Amino acid sequence: DVKVTQSSRYLVKRTGEKVFLECVQDMDHENMFWYRQDPGLGLRLIYFSYDVKMKEKGDIPEGYSVSREKKERFSLILESASTNQTSMYLCASSLNRVHGYTFGSGTRLTVV
Amino acid sequence: SQQGEEDPQALSIQEGENATMNCSYKTSINNLQWYRQNSGRGLVHLILIRSNEREKHSGRLRVTLDTSKKSSSLLITASRAADTASYFCATDAASGSRLTFGEGTQLTVNP
Repeated sequence: DVKVTQSSRYLVKRTGEKVFLECVQDMDHENMFWYRQDPGLGLRLIYFSYDVKMKEKGDIPEGYSVSREKKERFSLILESASTNQTSMYLCASSLNRVHGYTFGSGTRLTVV
Repeated sequence: SQQGEEDPQALSIQEGENATMNCSYKTSINNLQWYRQNSGRGLVHLILIRSNEREKHSGRLRVTLDTSKKSSSLLITASRAADTASYFCATDAASGSRLTFGEGTQLTVNP
Protein backbone atom coordinates (compact mmCIF):
# COMPACT_ATOMS: atom_id res chain seq x y z
CA ASP A 1 0.00 0.00 0.00
CA VAL A 2 1.07 3.55 -0.68
CA LYS A 3 2.15 5.32 2.41
CA VAL A 4 2.17 9.08 2.86
CA THR A 5 4.03 10.17 5.95
CA GLN A 6 3.75 13.59 7.53
CA SER A 7 6.61 14.30 9.86
CA SER A 8 4.61 15.62 12.81
CA ARG A 9 1.12 14.92 14.16
CA TYR A 10 1.08 18.02 16.36
CA LEU A 11 3.10 21.23 16.19
CA VAL A 12 2.99 24.40 18.24
CA LYS A 13 4.81 27.40 16.81
CA ARG A 14 5.08 31.07 17.66
CA THR A 15 3.82 33.92 15.52
CA GLY A 16 6.47 35.00 13.04
CA GLU A 17 8.37 31.70 13.02
CA LYS A 18 9.23 29.99 9.75
CA VAL A 19 7.54 26.59 9.78
CA PHE A 20 8.33 23.55 7.67
CA LEU A 21 5.80 20.75 7.22
CA GLU A 22 7.29 17.68 5.60
CA CYS A 23 5.52 15.03 3.55
CA VAL A 24 7.05 11.88 2.08
CA GLN A 25 5.41 9.22 -0.11
CA ASP A 26 6.90 5.85 -0.93
CA MET A 27 5.21 4.77 -4.18
CA ASP A 28 6.76 6.94 -6.84
CA HIS A 29 3.65 9.08 -7.30
CA GLU A 30 3.99 12.02 -9.63
CA ASN A 31 1.36 14.19 -7.98
CA MET A 32 1.45 15.65 -4.51
CA PHE A 33 -0.87 18.08 -2.75
CA TRP A 34 -1.15 20.19 0.38
CA TYR A 35 -4.57 20.97 1.85
CA ARG A 36 -5.68 22.67 5.00
CA GLN A 37 -8.86 21.65 6.77
CA ASP A 38 -10.89 23.98 8.95
CA PRO A 39 -14.33 23.50 10.54
CA GLY A 40 -17.06 24.79 8.26
CA LEU A 41 -14.66 25.35 5.37
CA GLY A 42 -13.81 21.80 4.38
CA LEU A 43 -10.54 21.01 2.64
CA ARG A 44 -8.90 23.83 0.74
CA LEU A 45 -6.00 23.31 -1.63
CA ILE A 46 -2.88 25.33 -0.85
CA TYR A 47 -0.34 24.10 -3.42
CA PHE A 48 0.20 21.08 -5.61
CA SER A 49 2.95 19.60 -7.70
CA TYR A 50 2.93 17.31 -10.72
CA ASP A 51 6.67 16.77 -10.96
CA VAL A 52 9.97 17.44 -9.29
CA LYS A 53 10.75 21.14 -8.98
CA MET A 54 7.29 21.94 -10.29
CA LYS A 55 4.62 23.68 -8.25
CA GLU A 56 1.25 25.26 -8.86
CA LYS A 57 -0.84 27.48 -6.63
CA GLY A 58 -4.08 26.14 -5.28
CA ASP A 59 -6.99 28.13 -3.95
CA ILE A 60 -5.30 29.66 -0.89
CA PRO A 61 -1.53 29.97 -1.48
CA GLU A 62 -1.03 33.29 0.32
CA GLY A 63 1.40 33.01 3.21
CA TYR A 64 2.70 29.63 2.04
CA SER A 65 5.37 28.29 -0.25
CA VAL A 66 6.40 24.77 -1.22
CA SER A 67 9.46 22.83 -2.23
CA ARG A 68 9.76 19.65 -4.24
CA GLU A 69 13.43 18.86 -4.74
CA LYS A 70 12.86 15.09 -4.84
CA LYS A 71 9.92 13.16 -6.23
CA GLU A 72 9.02 11.56 -2.92
CA ARG A 73 9.11 14.71 -0.78
CA PHE A 74 6.83 17.73 -0.84
CA SER A 75 7.39 20.37 1.81
CA LEU A 76 5.02 23.13 2.85
CA ILE A 77 6.61 26.27 4.23
CA LEU A 78 4.91 28.95 6.27
CA GLU A 79 7.20 31.90 5.72
CA SER A 80 6.07 33.81 8.83
CA ALA A 81 3.48 31.90 10.82
CA SER A 82 0.35 33.74 11.87
CA THR A 83 -2.49 32.72 14.18
CA ASN A 84 -4.89 32.40 11.24
CA GLN A 85 -2.71 29.57 9.94
CA THR A 86 -3.70 27.43 12.91
CA SER A 87 -5.27 24.45 11.18
CA MET A 88 -5.07 20.77 10.26
CA TYR A 89 -2.70 20.34 7.32
CA LEU A 90 -3.13 17.32 5.08
CA CYS A 91 -0.68 16.07 2.48
CA ALA A 92 -1.79 13.73 -0.31
CA SER A 93 -0.30 11.98 -3.31
CA SER A 94 -1.75 10.30 -6.38
CA LEU A 95 -0.55 8.26 -9.33
CA ASN A 96 -2.73 10.00 -11.89
CA ARG A 97 -6.21 11.47 -12.39
CA VAL A 98 -8.01 8.15 -12.52
CA HIS A 99 -6.71 7.03 -9.15
CA GLY A 100 -7.73 8.30 -5.76
CA TYR A 101 -5.54 10.30 -3.47
CA THR A 102 -3.63 8.76 -0.58
CA PHE A 103 -3.54 11.07 2.41
CA GLY A 104 -1.15 11.34 5.30
CA SER A 105 -2.42 11.36 8.86
CA GLY A 106 -2.33 15.14 9.05
CA THR A 107 -0.42 17.70 11.08
CA ARG A 108 -2.39 19.79 13.53
CA LEU A 109 -0.55 23.10 13.69
CA THR A 110 -1.22 25.65 16.40
CA VAL A 111 0.31 29.11 16.05
CA VAL A 112 0.40 31.07 19.29
CA SER B 1 -13.96 27.00 -4.81
CA GLN B 2 -16.17 24.32 -3.36
CA GLN B 3 -17.38 22.06 -6.14
CA GLY B 4 -19.11 19.30 -4.20
CA GLU B 5 -21.68 19.85 -1.49
CA GLU B 6 -22.76 17.01 0.75
CA ASP B 7 -26.19 16.55 2.23
CA PRO B 8 -27.03 16.09 5.04
CA GLN B 9 -24.33 17.78 7.09
CA ALA B 10 -24.90 15.27 9.88
CA LEU B 11 -26.64 11.90 10.05
CA SER B 12 -27.27 9.72 13.09
CA ILE B 13 -28.54 6.15 12.69
CA GLN B 14 -28.67 2.85 14.57
CA GLU B 15 -26.37 -0.04 13.87
CA GLY B 16 -27.74 -2.26 11.12
CA GLU B 17 -29.56 0.57 9.34
CA ASN B 18 -28.54 1.91 5.96
CA ALA B 19 -26.94 5.33 5.61
CA THR B 20 -27.35 7.48 2.53
CA MET B 21 -25.32 10.59 1.83
CA ASN B 22 -25.72 12.85 -1.17
CA CYS B 23 -23.36 15.08 -3.09
CA SER B 24 -24.17 17.79 -5.61
CA TYR B 25 -21.70 19.55 -7.85
CA LYS B 26 -21.72 22.36 -10.38
CA THR B 27 -19.52 21.64 -13.40
CA SER B 28 -18.75 18.73 -15.72
CA ILE B 29 -16.54 16.11 -14.18
CA ASN B 30 -14.13 13.35 -15.19
CA ASN B 31 -14.86 11.38 -12.06
CA LEU B 32 -16.26 11.69 -8.56
CA GLN B 33 -14.68 10.13 -5.49
CA TRP B 34 -15.80 9.41 -1.95
CA TYR B 35 -13.49 9.56 1.05
CA ARG B 36 -13.85 8.78 4.72
CA GLN B 37 -12.14 10.56 7.60
CA ASN B 38 -12.00 9.32 11.16
CA SER B 39 -11.78 12.07 13.75
CA GLY B 40 -8.42 13.84 13.70
CA ARG B 41 -6.97 11.62 10.98
CA GLY B 42 -6.28 11.82 7.25
CA LEU B 43 -8.80 10.92 4.58
CA VAL B 44 -9.09 7.42 3.18
CA HIS B 45 -10.16 6.84 -0.41
CA LEU B 46 -13.29 4.67 -0.63
CA ILE B 47 -14.47 4.55 -4.21
CA LEU B 48 -14.13 6.35 -7.57
CA ILE B 49 -16.89 6.52 -10.14
CA ARG B 50 -16.19 7.78 -13.65
CA SER B 51 -18.48 10.17 -15.48
CA ASN B 52 -19.63 7.42 -17.86
CA GLU B 53 -20.61 5.08 -15.01
CA ARG B 54 -23.95 5.16 -13.23
CA GLU B 55 -23.40 2.82 -10.31
CA LYS B 56 -20.51 1.16 -8.54
CA HIS B 57 -20.25 -1.24 -5.62
CA SER B 58 -17.50 -2.02 -3.16
CA GLY B 59 -18.38 -4.31 -0.28
CA ARG B 60 -21.13 -2.57 1.73
CA LEU B 61 -20.73 0.63 -0.28
CA ARG B 62 -22.87 1.57 -3.25
CA VAL B 63 -22.28 4.77 -5.19
CA THR B 64 -24.53 6.20 -7.85
CA LEU B 65 -23.84 9.05 -10.22
CA ASP B 66 -26.38 11.09 -12.17
CA THR B 67 -24.50 13.48 -14.43
CA SER B 68 -27.72 15.02 -15.75
CA LYS B 69 -28.58 16.15 -12.21
CA LYS B 70 -24.94 16.65 -11.24
CA SER B 71 -25.38 14.54 -8.16
CA SER B 72 -24.06 11.41 -6.50
CA SER B 73 -25.07 9.32 -3.54
CA LEU B 74 -23.15 7.03 -1.22
CA LEU B 75 -25.09 4.22 0.43
CA ILE B 76 -23.58 2.25 3.31
CA THR B 77 -25.61 -0.85 3.98
CA ALA B 78 -25.93 -2.64 7.33
CA SER B 79 -23.98 0.09 9.11
CA ARG B 80 -21.68 -0.63 12.02
CA ALA B 81 -20.47 1.56 14.88
CA ALA B 82 -17.03 1.50 13.21
CA ASP B 83 -18.54 3.34 10.21
CA THR B 84 -18.81 6.45 12.38
CA ALA B 85 -16.74 9.06 10.52
CA SER B 86 -16.99 12.04 8.19
CA TYR B 87 -17.60 11.27 4.54
CA PHE B 88 -16.50 13.59 1.75
CA CYS B 89 -17.21 13.66 -1.93
CA ALA B 90 -14.55 15.05 -4.25
CA THR B 91 -14.87 15.98 -7.88
CA ASP B 92 -12.29 15.90 -10.62
CA ALA B 93 -13.61 18.65 -12.87
CA ALA B 94 -13.27 18.17 -16.61
CA SER B 95 -11.73 21.63 -16.92
CA GLY B 96 -9.51 21.36 -13.86
CA SER B 97 -6.45 19.51 -12.75
CA ARG B 98 -7.12 18.46 -9.18
CA LEU B 99 -9.81 17.29 -6.78
CA THR B 100 -12.16 19.67 -5.06
CA PHE B 101 -13.72 18.48 -1.82
CA GLY B 102 -17.06 19.21 -0.22
CA GLU B 103 -17.47 19.95 3.47
CA GLY B 104 -18.49 16.44 4.38
CA THR B 105 -21.27 14.55 6.12
CA GLN B 106 -20.70 13.52 9.72
CA LEU B 107 -22.13 10.03 10.16
CA THR B 108 -22.75 8.64 13.63
CA VAL B 109 -23.75 5.00 13.96
CA ASN B 110 -25.11 4.23 17.40
CA PRO B 111 -24.54 0.72 18.80
